[in-house]
Amino acid sequence: GQNIDQPTEMTATEGAIVQINCTYQTSGFNGLFWYQQHAGEAPTFLSYNVLDGLEEKGRFSSFLSRSKGYSYLLLKELQMKDSASYLCAVRASGGSYIPTFGRGTSLIVHP
Amino acid sequence: DADVTQTPRNRITKTGKRIMLECSQTKGHDRMYWYRQDPGLGLRLIYYSFDVKDINKGEISDGYSVSRQAQAKFSLSLESAIPNQTALYFCATSDLGQGAGELFFGEGSRLTVL
Repeated sequence: GQNIDQPTEMTATEGAIVQINCTYQTSGFNGLFWYQQHAGEAPTFLSYNVLDGLEEKGRFSSFLSRSKGYSYLLLKELQMKDSASYLCAVRASGGSYIPTFGRGTSLIVHP
Repeated sequence: DADVTQTPRNRITKTGKRIMLECSQTKGHDRMYWYRQDPGLGLRLIYYSFDVKDINKGEISDGYSVSRQAQAKFSLSLESAIPNQTALYFCATSDLGQGAGELFFGEGSRLTVL
């Protein structure tokens, strides 16, 4: 099975930087995803890491350390529209390759 | 138009009623999934399908059934709805051979069971 842990809620100020952490335990690893979900809407794909290191995509970056079972999503130059839930999902190897989701981190961006 | 479409978007029903949620996709993906989302619990997998007539149970399949009669369609049924099935339901698709194999979600179906 898998165990995925991320903070329930975070707050930050517009223009600042925020880091959302995700730790996981899995019997086989085939990638980690981050999704963004605005209230009442569908989750949308943000990033994917399968090798150790940092993946940068505009204002958003995602980091992975497989040996530590750890990832973070870094959001720079925060905007009010970044207020959303951020979902960490781990895909296991060896079979169905189904992603399992953490409970999500609700980010509130203040002016 | 959305690539993954769910109907109905909102439904209020009574305990004991049979409910069907439908999902159709134009992405040409073989893999389709049904998740439910509850506050504080995240997304939990109900059923998934890798091909027509292929059905697999997820983490919380009790009280639900699914049907995959065509590649583009995957329906979720609640044979006898109960109040703790009140939730937001998402259909999703993926293709391991494209990009990261990420999930593409429908807009969600909000179900309330009274």
